[in-house]
Amino acid sequence: GQNIDQPTEMTATEGAIVQINCTYQTSGFNGLFWYQQHAGEAPTFLSYNVLDGLEEKGRFSSFLSRSKGYSYLLLKELQMKDSASYLCAVNQAGTALIFGKGTTLSVSS
Amino acid sequence: DSGVTQTPKHLITATGQRVTLRCSPRSGDLSVYWYQQSLDQGLQFLIQYYNGEERAKGNILERFSAQQFPDLHSELNLSSLELGDSALYFCASSSTGTSANSPLHFGNGTRLTVT
Repeated sequence: GQNIDQPTEMTATEGAIVQINCTYQTSGFNGLFWYQQHAGEAPTFLSYNVLDGLEEKGRFSSFLSRSKGYSYLLLKELQMKDSASYLCAVNQAGTALIFGKGTTLSVSS
Repeated sequence: DSGVTQTPKHLITATGQRVTLRCSPRSGDLSVYWYQQSLDQGLQFLIQYYNGEERAKGNILERFSAQQFPDLHSELNLSSLELGDSALYFCASSSTGTSANSPLHFGNGTRLTVT
């Protein structure tokens, strides 16, 4: 089976940097995804890591350590529109993408 | 717009009833995935179809069933509905048979309310 853990809630202020952590336990690891989901809307793809290291994409970066079963999503220069849920999802061989419960990020001015 | 279309957007029905949710994947995508999202459980994987065949199964109840048709659209059938089935049901598609390497593109969901 799989176990994916993320903090339930985080708060930050505009312009700041926030790091959302995700730990997972799985067999047959086959990649890790981060998705953003605004309330009542569809999740949208942010990033994908399959090898160890940092992937940078604009204000968002994602890091993976397979040996530690650990990933984080780094959001820089926070904006109000970044207030959303951030979902960590792990792909396990033989099944589909399994999601954590998500981290609700609130950005205040 | 992800290109994945789900209908209807909202559905209100009574316990014991049966409903069908419909999904059209992005043009060119062969895989369709169904997820259920409730407040306390997060996104739960139900089932995946690839090019008409069932590919992977998650926590799908026996009261639920799905299929993918030759034109690649998919339907999720929910029967003997219970109050606890009230949730947002998402369909997602991808171009390959596995979600590895290939991001899922989600539709806007169907909100099901069972009264």
